[in-house]
This record gives sequence, structure tokens and C-alpha cells, in this order.
Amino acid sequence: DAKTTQPTSMDCAEGRAANLPCNHSTISGNEYVYWYRQIHSQGPQYIIHGLKNNETNEMASLIITEDRKSSTLILPHATLRDTAVYYCIVRVPQGGDDKIIFGKGTRLHILP
Amino acid sequence: EAGVTQFPSHSVIEKGQTVTLRCDPISGHDNLYWYRRVMGKEIKFLLHFVKESKQDESGMPNNRFLAERTGGTYSTLKVQPAELEDSGVYFCASSQVRGRGNTEAFFGQGTRLTVV
Repeated sequence: DAKTTQPTSMDCAEGRAANLPCNHSTISGNEYVYWYRQIHSQGPQYIIHGLKNNETNEMASLIITEDRKSSTLILPHATLRDTAVYYCIVRVPQGGDDKIIFGKGTRLHILP
Repeated sequence: EAGVTQFPSHSVIEKGQTVTLRCDPISGHDNLYWYRRVMGKEIKFLLHFVKESKQDESGMPNNRFLAERTGGTYSTLKVQPAELEDSGVYFCASSQVRGRGNTEAFFGQGTRLTVV
């Protein structure tokens, strides 16, 4: 899987939008961008994924640049429960080497 | 629908003993993965089953670790004999195969293993 680069940590005020960037400049044409998060003492949780179009679900929005070399995960109204480590991952779902490779992620702190 | 369940949630064993971790994937998920997070480190891939077959076991640290998935349903991960460096949180995940819906992996809550 292509490597991703994320900031080590970020702070965001409660109630504001949290924007988490991710660089994936070597992404291949058939690789998707996935976001997971791990809240302390819990298992990783799927958030959202996309190929090239922007995506939105009940948890977040995913904005992918036109060249697909970077993306931003947006939590529109962050709450204290959104404090977690967020992982940006690129992979070919169900490809021959289909496993999720976690990097260091971004530790997001939501401040009251 | 039940999610991925893991048992036990915590285990404390002495060095040299044997421990078996169990994972029950979401019903109908043919893909099953094991991951491990050692304190202060990244979550690391261990292995991947497709049904009962080992698709990829490149992340297994050594031959003290044995994973099985008889019948293609639940899976066990045995550590024998356990060493201090095996301490960490072991996660299991499952997902559908291609063409049968969404491909995201769902993770269990993990088993926290402490070797003393």
C-alpha cells in the first residue's frame, strides 16, 4: 500500500469542525483512501472511504484533491468523544495484498 | 447484528505459559485479520485468513505464534510459550469478500495481553 503522511497531533475546539489532512502523493489509480480512528482502549473504527469523489456519511466528510495526492477528513461538529488517533490509509480493497497498514496517525484532541 | 467479538478482553500470564485468544468475526465475513499493538508502537498486521486458508501470514513475529481458523468461522491465536515482549493489545477484524458489499474492515475491542 502507498505510504501516507499525517501530522502527529492536532487540537480542535469542541463544536468546531476538525480538519485532518493526509498526503498520499504516490497513490495508485486503483487505490482508495480510507480513514479509521482508534478511541482509547477500543478497537479501530471505520469512518469513511473514497476513490476520487468527495464523500459524506453520518460521521464525516472526505475531501480528495483532484490529483488525488492528498485528502482531508472533516468532522463537522467535533465533540469530546471524537478525541482519538485518526489513521489515513490507502489500499486496494480486496486486492491481492489486501490488508490495512496502519501508520502513526494523527492524535486529535478535542478541547472543551 | 453482532460485531466482531474477542475473548478474553484481558489476560495476564506468566512468561513461558500458553495463551489462546479467540475471535468471532461478523457472520458471513470470509476475511479475518489479526493485528497487534505493542505499547507505544503502531498497530501491526499479523495475518489474514480467507475462510479457513491463510492468505498472508507475513506479519507473524515468530513460530511461537499459531493462528487457526478451522471451518472458516471463528479464529484462535495461540502464543506458546509467551515472552515478555508479546505483551500488547491483539485486535481481530473481519470484512466481506469482493462483490458482496462494502469492503471496510470491522474491528473487535481487542484482547489486552500482559506477560509477567
